Amino acid sequence: DIQMTQSPSSLSASVGDTVTMTCRASQHIVTYLNWYRQKPGRAPELLIYAASNLQTGVPSRFSGRGSVQDFTLTVAGVQADDSATYFCQQSFDSPQTFGPGTKLE
Amino acid sequence: EVELLQAGGGLIPPGGSVRLSCKASGFVLSNHWMHWVRQVPGKGLVWVARISYDGSRTDYADSVQGRFTVSRDNSHNILYLEMKTVRAEDTAVYYCVREGLLSGYGTWFDPWGQGTLVTVSS
Repeated sequence: DIQMTQSPSSLSASVGDTVTMTCRASQHIVTYLNWYRQKPGRAPELLIYAASNLQTGVPSRFSGRGSVQDFTLTVAGVQADDSATYFCQQSFDSPQTFGPGTKLE
Repeated sequence: EVELLQAGGGLIPPGGSVRLSCKASGFVLSNHWMHWVRQVPGKGLVWVARISYDGSRTDYADSVQGRFTVSRDNSHNILYLEMKTVRAEDTAVYYCVREGLLSGYGTWFDPWGQGTLVTVSS
């Protein structure tokens, strides 16, 4: 299985800050990388698909970049509502695997 | 509105069985592969199983192979996960998810059901 790692495991930010988190795959996955946000007590929701494509309805302050093995998710102008855990997921190979998450506080 | 509404779960004794259901609305279920993903509270997300459009193909994580069965009733827009011979390590929140795909872009999970907690304990 493809292993996904994320860093940092947690980060703290103030409203209005720009934060960036990273995701790395254990092998090349082209751009088959998705990002999800999970607020406490809620189901995950899709933010970004195929590394850099913003899901419909997701605020434009979220952006994704990367290819091959290394990817980033940036939140420009963090809002209080963005407090959540962010997971990356590869869809290059089965089983689809997730990273351990980055908790944004 | 596209939505997945889950039911089932609860407290199950070790070795017992339970069936989870997932009712789709706002879209045609038969147009999508569907998956189940689980999450131990406070931990990460783990893919469990998937089923093709018409139910002719299913795949499972090694940890549940032979014990769990995913099925679907497209005429009623319902997805199922039957869990047998459950173990303590099956305790988790289970989510049903719809697979989205676009040629050249891979696949993704959207939307997610609200989740249902399965607790395996005597």
